[in-house]
Order: sequence, then C-alpha cells, then structure tokens
Amino acid sequence: AQKVTQAQTEISVVEKEDVTLDCVYETRDTTYYLFWYKQPPSGELVFLIRRNSFDEQNEISGRYSWNFQKSTSSFNFTITASQVVDSAVYFCALSGTGANNLFFGTGTRLTVIP
Amino acid sequence: DAGITQSPRHKVTETGTPVTLRCHQTENHRYMYWYRQDPGHGLRLIHYSYGVKDTDKGEVSDGYSVSRSKTEDFLLTLESATSSQTSVYFCATSGQPSYEQYFGPGTRLTVT
Repeated sequence: AQKVTQAQTEISVVEKEDVTLDCVYETRDTTYYLFWYKQPPSGELVFLIRRNSFDEQNEISGRYSWNFQKSTSSFNFTITASQVVDSAVYFCALSGTGANNLFFGTGTRLTVIP
Repeated sequence: DAGITQSPRHKVTETGTPVTLRCHQTENHRYMYWYRQDPGHGLRLIHYSYGVKDTDKGEVSDGYSVSRSKTEDFLLTLESATSSQTSVYFCATSGQPSYEQYFGPGTRLTVT
C-alpha cells in the first residue's frame, strides 16, 4: 500500500525565515517517484518537483530545496528566505512504477507573515 | 502548463440530478485523471484513462462514471448526485504513467 503523511497541518513563519515542510512516505515498491505540488490561494495545483527512488541527491532550485532520504522514507521541502508569495498549501505525493495514481498527503498550509 | 481546461468551473445542483463535468486538454497526453479534493483528505483519484475508451477505477469511484471518446476530452458523470459528492474536482493529464501530472483549474461542485 502507498501512503504519504504530512504531519504538519499548518505552519506560520515570518517573512525571510527558512521553513521546512515534512513528508514521510510508505511503499513496498523498490522503484517509486515522489512529487511536491503547490496550491496557492487561487486554487490551482502547480507541479514543483519529481524525484525517482534511485536518485537520493538533494536538489536546489532557487530558494527551494529538497532532501530525499530513503533510510527514513522522507522527502522534505525547504524554502529559504520565505516570501509572502510562498503562502500556499503544499502537497507531497507518491507514485509507483507504471502506476496511474498519485497518492497525495493531506497537505501543509504555509502562511508567510509580512 | 498542459493546456487543461475544465467546465463548468462552478456548479450548484440538487440531490438526485445527473451532473457531467468536462475536461479538455490540448497537449495530446495519453493519460487523464479525475481527482476530488476534500478537507483533511488531500486529493483522491476517482477514475483515470490510459487511452481513448480505456478507463479504470481509482480509490473513490463509487457513484461516478467516466468516458473518453477523444484523446482531448475526459468526462466525469455523477449519475445521481448526493451531498457527499460536494467537492472540488480536478482533472489532470500526464504523458506517461509515474510522470508528473498537470492539473486543470478545478470545478467546485455543490450538491444541495
């Protein structure tokens, strides 16, 4: 069974603070894929990153970085120097090989206070 | 941006009436999906399609049916709407399974 847990329901930070969003997953597949999506207040879902289970290198994209650790089944997302525009609900998701489904966590609502 | 549109964007309907939501994509993606989003549940898969006339059930398919007669269109039908189907419905597309899915803007459905 596939499962994604985002234990942080809501987080508030002051602008320019760093913040880490946690994602823990469960799967029996040896090959799988992890994703992060952003849902701003306007409601659309924006794809941020896809990572396969064989690539444990951390990734950085501007102020965003992702830490994938198979040993702890975690795929955490860090925003450096947060901005008000980062306020959104962030979803972590999991897919198996050849699977036609993304299993989503329940999301973390991030509020960045100016 | 996969060029995905959904119609209608908002709908209010009464219990027991049929409802059809439409998803249209311009990217020629083979895979299309319908999800529902509810507080405390994230997004859950209703049905998906892996080609024209090829569909399968997802996690929460009871009370829903789908059809795909053209690559670009994927319809979701609630045969007899119930209040428990009040939700936000998202369509998504993907070029391949296990690849990133691109989402439409969503349809907010209220069943009274």
